[in-house]
Amino acid sequence: GAVVSQHPSRVICKSGTSVKIECRSLDFQATTMFWYRQFPKKSLMLMATSNEGSKATYEQGVEKDKFLINHASLTLSTLTVTSAHPEDSSFYICSAARGVGQPQHFGDGTRLSIL
Amino acid sequence: AQKITQTQPGMFVQEKEAVTLDCTYDTSDPSYGLFWYKQPSSGEMIFLIYQGSYDQQNATEGRYSLNFQKARKSANLVISASQLGDSAMYFCAMSPRPGGSEKLVFGKGTKLTVNP
Repeated sequence: GAVVSQHPSRVICKSGTSVKIECRSLDFQATTMFWYRQFPKKSLMLMATSNEGSKATYEQGVEKDKFLINHASLTLSTLTVTSAHPEDSSFYICSAARGVGQPQHFGDGTRLSIL
Repeated sequence: AQKITQTQPGMFVQEKEAVTLDCTYDTSDPSYGLFWYKQPSSGEMIFLIYQGSYDQQNATEGRYSLNFQKARKSANLVISASQLGDSAMYFCAMSPRPGGSEKLVFGKGTKLTVNP
């Protein structure tokens, strides 16, 4: 069964809207979660590392004010795309590992389309 | 910095035959983890197999096996007895430490098509 749950699976909204995406670890606690972005027919690029109880660590070139990450509990991380524009349209996917030495499991991803 | 190279943008295989998907990597870390994920057209990333840099034996998971050649820095995925449902994108990935709880670096992927 699913190990990591991501919601919503698809969002279509107008330019200027802020969109929140949730990533939940099911039946395990995740002090660290990861957020990736994938453009069509491209690979996954790490955006940021979400750390429970502390600030997220962003990869170079990722705007932290545009992509707000909150890891408020040991089972939930949220990514908020603020004031989204068409160029933010993409596939966003989160992951978490059950523990040290365990492989990462991914959510089903969120397809974001900004009109 | 770590880097994953997948040189095959697309591969075709006949149903029931075996196929090898290539992956080479580059890292200065003394220990690391190597992974393969499958991404169907629906988008989810499905974990297939893992190899730790210190593992002596090649990893196997059902029809999947990882041909790990440390000296050559390669971690090829072998799928035996291909099935139509194996058609998908396949990504090789690497973590800076064994196990995968660290961030992953992905290759560009290989699109596998299984023909009936």
